[in-house]
Amino acid sequence: DAGVIQSPRHEVTEMGQEVTLRCKPISGHNSLFWYRQTMMRGLELLIYFNNNVPIDDSGMPEDRFSAKMPNASFSTLKIQPSEPRDSAVYFCASSPTGGHYGYTFGSGTRLTVV
Amino acid sequence: GESVGLHLPTLSVQEGDNSIINCAYSNSASDYFIWYKQESGKGPQFIIDIRSNMDKRQGQRVTVLLNKTVKHLSLQIAATQPGDSAVYFCAENMAGGNKLVFGAGTILRVKS
Repeated sequence: DAGVIQSPRHEVTEMGQEVTLRCKPISGHNSLFWYRQTMMRGLELLIYFNNNVPIDDSGMPEDRFSAKMPNASFSTLKIQPSEPRDSAVYFCASSPTGGHYGYTFGSGTRLTVV
Repeated sequence: GESVGLHLPTLSVQEGDNSIINCAYSNSASDYFIWYKQESGKGPQFIIDIRSNMDKRQGQRVTVLLNKTVKHLSLQIAATQPGDSAVYFCAENMAGGNKLVFGAGTILRVKS
């Protein structure tokens, strides 16, 4: 089992550019979560999907952020346009079913917007 | 200028001693709790979980205690090792919900 796979591991971009983060959940897991981690706010849930359907996006900070899950094995988190305050580590996690199971996290994407 | 961020509590223990990390959770309706360990440059890693119908659960070298009366969770690590040095997070899941809310974290430093 390769675990949750995120790419890229590091991304440095200029303010105003579009950024796309990618995630491949564990096969068979039908819940997928995007978190953001910063020193200021800790781990924040941005959005989660059940069976590829977005269930709760109340944590998405602004309209500049969007997430998609076109199929069970792939999800993207896009920021357009990016701003320096978006700099953070973005984690994707998946779990086998809704609730009552621990998530498995990916290694994260460290995003720096300059 | 000085940066402002979360001031994580730090627990420093001697190698071989037992560690106790505490967490106050926020929602009395939460029915499932998990402890995660995060090492530098890595994602959070599952350690142990407990459901609200239990007050204690043991794993290998770790024990989680749940006190619903005061909404308190603790993680006990026996015979702490240098490899246990990390940030530890508690997380709670509200009954009927499907998302984990994480605490701020505690830094554990193990001195050899």
